[in-house]
Amino acid sequence: EAQVTQNPRYLITVTGKKLTVTCSQNMNHEYMSWYRQDPGLGLRQIYYSMNVEVTDKGDVPEGYKVSRKEKRNFPLILESPSPNQTSLYFCASGRDREQFFGPGTRLTVL
Amino acid sequence: LAKTTQPISMDSYEGQEVNITCSHNNIATNDYITWYQQFPSQGPRFIIQGYKTKVTNEVASLFIPADRKSSTLSLPRVSLSDTAVYYCLVGDIKGNKLVFGAGTILRVKS
Repeated sequence: EAQVTQNPRYLITVTGKKLTVTCSQNMNHEYMSWYRQDPGLGLRQIYYSMNVEVTDKGDVPEGYKVSRKEKRNFPLILESPSPNQTSLYFCASGRDREQFFGPGTRLTVL
Repeated sequence: LAKTTQPISMDSYEGQEVNITCSHNNIATNDYITWYQQFPSQGPRFIIQGYKTKVTNEVASLFIPADRKSSTLSLPRVSLSDTAVYYCLVGDIKGNKLVFGAGTILRVKS
């Protein structure tokens, strides 16, 4: 089944404890992206990647890192999480201008 | 970046046609307009995409005037299952950042 998977789906952590949210797609898409979703603000793009080893900042990249060493994986790294990064995170992959979204990761930073 | 503006919410009844308009005054020449649907606890799902004039698929129509400063998503004969948040997205995954609107909550009543 063609899909985008994210892990973990839920995470509660404490300020400053490094974490990684994984994202994987099995559709051989070149484009991948991370978004965060907050009430009243909709979806905001964090980082995107046009291909392996190519990443660019989206609208809200501060406090986040990404890497794209393989085509299928696009992990989101929070080196030192803070409470304002509590949010719902979505990974997406895309082709022909259509994006396919993962199920989301709900992150709480205490 | 092209900022988008959508109504916060809309109410409709089953069987009616619903039109949701998105304003994007600063749309760039290379930008496409894409609409996504999102149900609670799920990632957004692609509905329709266009560049100019009118596009129709099996679930919706998209109307884009000549100046491309706005677009209208048209959902014919909505049902209760169309209750969701609808997002307008301006941009192109082939090179640019992507900007989502804040979303329109559509509530369909019986």
